[in-house]
Amino acid sequence: EVQLVESGGGLVQPGGSLRLSCAASGVTFSVSWMAWVRQAPGKGLEWVALMNPDGTTRNYVDSVKGRFTISRDNAEKSLYLHMNSLRAEDTGVYYCARDSLYGSLDYWGQGTQVTVSS
Amino acid sequence: DVVMTQSPLSLPVTLGQPASISCKSSQSLVLSDGNTHLHWFQQRPGQSPRRLISRISDRDSGVPDRFSGSGSGTDFTLKISRVEAEDVGVYHCMQGSHWPYTFGQGTKLEIK
Repeated sequence: EVQLVESGGGLVQPGGSLRLSCAASGVTFSVSWMAWVRQAPGKGLEWVALMNPDGTTRNYVDSVKGRFTISRDNAEKSLYLHMNSLRAEDTGVYYCARDSLYGSLDYWGQGTQVTVSS
Repeated sequence: DVVMTQSPLSLPVTLGQPASISCKSSQSLVLSDGNTHLHWFQQRPGQSPRRLISRISDRDSGVPDRFSGSGSGTDFTLKISRVEAEDVGVYHCMQGSHWPYTFGQGTKLEIK
């Protein structure tokens, strides 16, 4: 059974930082494109970042470029999202997901809540 | 960025009746290799999204055959032939042809 388990969310002040983690099991992580997708309260889904299997390609949505960094550790089967200079508009549930091909997200985690507020 | 526009945003349906959701993209999703990366996801209340259909019409295993996808170019449709209680939730279309990949606003299906 495939499991993606996110952790690391929480309450942070504007301008602060957080590191999200996603632990994968039951999937061949080292050959999988992996993504972070978020959902603001009561809103739709938004792609945040995407990384290829060997970590040489990273794509970001414009609103997080320069502030967020996606990374991975294939030996640990883990995906990370380092978030700096957080803003109120970054508040939401952050999902880790596997991208099987061109955005076709076949496995999702349960999500971790990030709240940016003073 | 490619804008994905879904309609309706709210869809009240009687049990056993059909339902249809439209998804339009601001530019063609057809790539030079002929593939079109348009996917549909279902998000039941309180749950993570789940993929229903990939590349316009490829239904995931375990997805009931009452769900079907169609369309081409910029216009796509998700149809449910007979709505059941378990179909309540939000349906999202998403394009993966052009980065940044983008979702529609979501269509909330409820039982009348």
